[in-house]
Amino acid sequence: QVQLVQSESELKKPGASVKVSCKASGYTFTSYGMSWVRQAPGQGLEWMGWINTNTGNPTYAQGFTGRFVFSLDTSVATAYLQISSLKAEDTAVYYCARVGILGLDYWGQGTLVTVSS
Amino acid sequence: DIQMTQSPSSLSASVGDRVTITCRASQGINNNLNWYQQKPGKVPKLLIYAASTLQSGVPSRFSGSGSGTDFTLTISSLQPEDVATYYCQRFNSAPPLTFGGGTKVEIK
Repeated sequence: QVQLVQSESELKKPGASVKVSCKASGYTFTSYGMSWVRQAPGQGLEWMGWINTNTGNPTYAQGFTGRFVFSLDTSVATAYLQISSLKAEDTAVYYCARVGILGLDYWGQGTLVTVSS
Repeated sequence: DIQMTQSPSSLSASVGDRVTITCRASQGINNNLNWYQQKPGKVPKLLIYAASTLQSGVPSRFSGSGSGTDFTLTISSLQPEDVATYYCQRFNSAPPLTFGGGTKVEIK
């Protein structure tokens, strides 16, 4: 069965960096893209962008350029989200989600990133 | 970029009521519209794709309709397990895959 397993919650200080992982299983990793979605506390879903797992080409939504980097390690079927120069407003749950033909059809369990001094 | 606007932002209805949520796109998007359900404290789940097709396992009391700029999600008979926030999302091969702001559904 398809599973996306994300890394554990992180507590970081402002200015630090964080790398969230999303390990896929149960399907051919390079056959589906991977999206990242942010959900700030008590807020809605924000689509951050996606990465083509076949080519490694990332696409970032407005507001998620510069400090946000999507990457892959196809040898271990894992996608990564790295955020640098963390700010308090980056505190959120970050989800990875498989880009199916017709929608974001499988989601990771979410990773809470808390930025606090 | 195309904006997705949902209404209402929240609603409260009784068990058995018919509930309708609206999503409007700022430009025509054909039928490239998905609905997601996020129960409290849970991961979002794809509910309906291509505006009107139920994802496997979704109860038949859910339905979607619309094309172009105006879309609706209907729950024909609200059940306690339907308490959730519902999000629409523009979904096609051309990003961004913008989400609507969400509609929180509660039981009266």
